[in-house]
Amino acid sequence: AQSVTQLGSHVSVSEGALVLLRCNYSSSVPPYLFWYVQYPNQGLQLLLKYTTGATLVKGINGFEAEFKKSETSFHLTKPSAHMSDAAEYFCAVSDDTNAGKSTFGDGTTLTVKP
Amino acid sequence: ETGVTQSPTHLIKTRGQQVTLRCSSQSGHNTVSWYQQALGQGPQFIFQYYREEENGRGNFPPRFSGLQFPNYSSELNVNALELDDSALYLCASSLEGLADYNEQFFGPGTRLTVL
Repeated sequence: AQSVTQLGSHVSVSEGALVLLRCNYSSSVPPYLFWYVQYPNQGLQLLLKYTTGATLVKGINGFEAEFKKSETSFHLTKPSAHMSDAAEYFCAVSDDTNAGKSTFGDGTTLTVKP
Repeated sequence: ETGVTQSPTHLIKTRGQQVTLRCSSQSGHNTVSWYQQALGQGPQFIFQYYREEENGRGNFPPRFSGLQFPNYSSELNVNALELDDSALYLCASSLEGLADYNEQFFGPGTRLTVL
């Protein structure tokens, strides 16, 4: 069985500040890990993914995440927040190469203050 | 390249009724997954269809059923609607079977309200 815990349902940062969204996972096999972003009234868009190889993963819009097996974590960061980053962010895990059977966390709403 | 589309956008039903939601997969994709996203929660995997066959199911009762058609579009059917079925229903398509990992692309969702 697999599960995802996103620490902090709401995160607020000032524009230009560091963004850190936390994700811890549980998986019985080497996991595939994902971060998605959801804007209001829209579907989910993939920000980045970890499958194998390099543990520091770069994604779109300046986001990156680091897979830390010893900590079972996959935290999402961005050095400098933009107003357009305000959205809901979901971490997901899959123990299958099949992309469509992922388990999602409950999400973190990111607010960016001017 | 056409993205994933879903219809209708919004739907209101009453308890006990039946509903059908539709999804058109992205061009070239052979797999459709359905998720239920309740308010304030992350998406939960309902089931997946691969080449017209169910290919995995989450923890949902049999009154949730689906179909995939030869053009890889899909339907989600829910019978005997309950208040707790109120949610955003997301469809995602992907191309499975040809690589180690394939990205899934989400549609905008159908917002179902059960009164």
